[in-house]
Amino acid sequence: EMQLSESGGGLVQPGGSLRLSCVASGFAFSRYALSWVRQAPGKGLEWVSAISGSADLTYYRDSIKGRFTIARDNSKNTLYLEMGSLRVEDTAVYYCAKIRASVAVVAFHDLWGQGTLVAVSS
Amino acid sequence: DIQMTQSPSSLSASVGDRVTITCRASQGITNSLAWYQHKTGKAPKLLLYAASRLESGVPSRFSGSGSGTDYTLTISSLQPEDFATYFCQQYYSTPPYTFGQGTKLEI
Repeated sequence: EMQLSESGGGLVQPGGSLRLSCVASGFAFSRYALSWVRQAPGKGLEWVSAISGSADLTYYRDSIKGRFTIARDNSKNTLYLEMGSLRVEDTAVYYCAKIRASVAVVAFHDLWGQGTLVAVSS
Repeated sequence: DIQMTQSPSSLSASVGDRVTITCRASQGITNSLAWYQHKTGKAPKLLLYAASRLESGVPSRFSGSGSGTDYTLTISSLQPEDFATYFCQQYYSTPPYTFGQGTKLEI
């Protein structure tokens, strides 16, 4: 069974850092691009970042460029999101999602994790 | 960025009803649209992609249609397990991908 499982969320102060992880199982991890998608309390889904299967291409939404870094370790079937200079508005449940393609272009998400909560507050 | 306007934001219906949810893109997206079902505390689930292609394992009561900028998700006969929030997502061209604001389907 294909699965994604996120971890690493928690409470952090504004300006702080956090690293999220997403462990995959049940599919050929390196063959697929992956995204991070978040949902702030009471809001809709918001795409955050994506990375190609070979990790040579990355994409970010404008509001997190320069603060967040997406990465993956294909030997560990793990996706990461390094989050820095966190703001209150980054508070959300963060989901990792598998893209049905090796590149993160013109593709949809066919498998999601259950999410990990990041709360940014003083 | 392409904006997705989804309506309605909430919908009350009964088991057996036929319901329709719509998404409008701010520009043509040539059927590059996916629909997801999301239940609180669970992982979102892909229902349809390419506007009308049913994901494997998804019941046939779910269907999608549309073209250009306007797309619809239809549930032909609501079942108790269908009460959830539904999102559309465009994946036209390069990221950023954008989602509709969601439709909460309630009993």
